[in-house]
Amino acid sequence: AAGVIQSPRHLIKEKRETATLKCYPIPRHDTVYWYQQGPGQDPQFLISFYEKMQSDKGSIPDRFSAQQFSDYHSELNMSSLELGDSALYFCASGLAGAGNEQFFGPGTRLTVL
Amino acid sequence: EDQVTQSPEALRLQEGESSSLNCSYTVSGLRGLFWYRQDPGKGPEFLFTLYSAGEEKEKERLKATLTKKESFLHITAPKPEDSATYLCAVQAITGTASKLTFGTGTRLQVTL
Repeated sequence: AAGVIQSPRHLIKEKRETATLKCYPIPRHDTVYWYQQGPGQDPQFLISFYEKMQSDKGSIPDRFSAQQFSDYHSELNMSSLELGDSALYFCASGLAGAGNEQFFGPGTRLTVL
Repeated sequence: EDQVTQSPEALRLQEGESSSLNCSYTVSGLRGLFWYRQDPGKGPEFLFTLYSAGEEKEKERLKATLTKKESFLHITAPKPEDSATYLCAVQAITGTASKLTFGTGTRLQVTL
């Protein structure tokens, strides 16, 4: 069965650089979620989209922005990167109203040097 | 604010030694309680969703139950391949595509 696809899988950036993470949800899923997981931490919710509109917003820094495109893929844009942004970034997708399960991708490991 | 507390933080079992993991929660209107399994460096893998008190779900050696304040994940006769971190999360009834609030997980190690 098709799963959530994330790219790139690994990314190394310098401080103050920008990064763009991409997420391709499971086909026919209409919701996308972004989470950040630091070492030894639980996933922390950043932002979500339903039918290409922002739906819920968590502890996402102002330096980050995200959008969902017409083909339902989503991008998380991160600017002025800081050392503390080093983490695993997960995208999840789901089908609103159909159990509300969120299916996670393999993640992007971002390292900021 | 929604809160999830999992215990124990870590659990070491011998193969075949059954046990239970606990997830206590407070949420302003529960839409669902979710259990995930996470291996190191990988994305959480969906296991179960529970919606109302009294509900139970099973999958192979795992059984999840739900009350109004907590959920249990029972592991019967575990095998080494069950070793992972088990995450519990809640979703409140607040609009569409609302967030999951996770607990910090239980790290399970099953030895021969």
